[in-house]
Amino acid sequence: NAGVTQTPKFQVLKTGQSMTLQCAQDMNHEYMSWYRQDPGMGLRLIHYSVGAGITDQGEVPNGYNVSRSTTEDFPLRLLSAAPSQTSVYFCASSYSKQPNTGELFFGEGSRLTVL
Amino acid sequence: LAKTTQPISMDSYEGQEVNITCSHNNIATNDYITWYQQFPSQGPRFIIQGYKTKVTNEVASLFIPADRKSSTLSLPRVSLSDTAVYYCLVGGGATNKLIFGTGTLLAVQP
Repeated sequence: NAGVTQTPKFQVLKTGQSMTLQCAQDMNHEYMSWYRQDPGMGLRLIHYSVGAGITDQGEVPNGYNVSRSTTEDFPLRLLSAAPSQTSVYFCASSYSKQPNTGELFFGEGSRLTVL
Repeated sequence: LAKTTQPISMDSYEGQEVNITCSHNNIATNDYITWYQQFPSQGPRFIIQGYKTKVTNEVASLFIPADRKSSTLSLPRVSLSDTAVYYCLVGGGATNKLIFGTGTLLAVQP
């Protein structure tokens, strides 16, 4: 089991460029989510999904798109990157569709810098 | 959505017991309380989860009073390797939105 795999680990973008952060899990987890982490701000929820074909917004969804076409993958898209999106991004998954009753498994993070 | 409040930082020495308290006044009836540990440049890692009273595992204990408006993570005999940020997570009730607080930076000194 690889667990939760995020790619790339590091990325530098110019303002206005687009990119996709990839997240894949091999644990057959129903629930997947994306967080961003900024200094002094803790982890903030961007988007989440309770299963293939189902996504919903978190605390800070603006500027980000997601889709969930398979159980394994949950990519996060930045359509037009802005310096305010410079952050470390974490993908997390859980077996339970109601993740408050189970363990969240996190990836190692993707560090994004927007110039 | 339950909001959590934790101390920003705590200091301790090796071998001491550390108690980190989290306040969650608006906790919902079906919300569980979960604690995570995060080391620099790593994703958070699950420590312990509970609903009420006391839960203990091989690394920590979790104390939850009857009103469930707070919880305390207890780390017995900490070592230098326990230096990390600890997050209290409550929720997400019916919405499945898991909202983290700002966490507590625990610094363990020799």
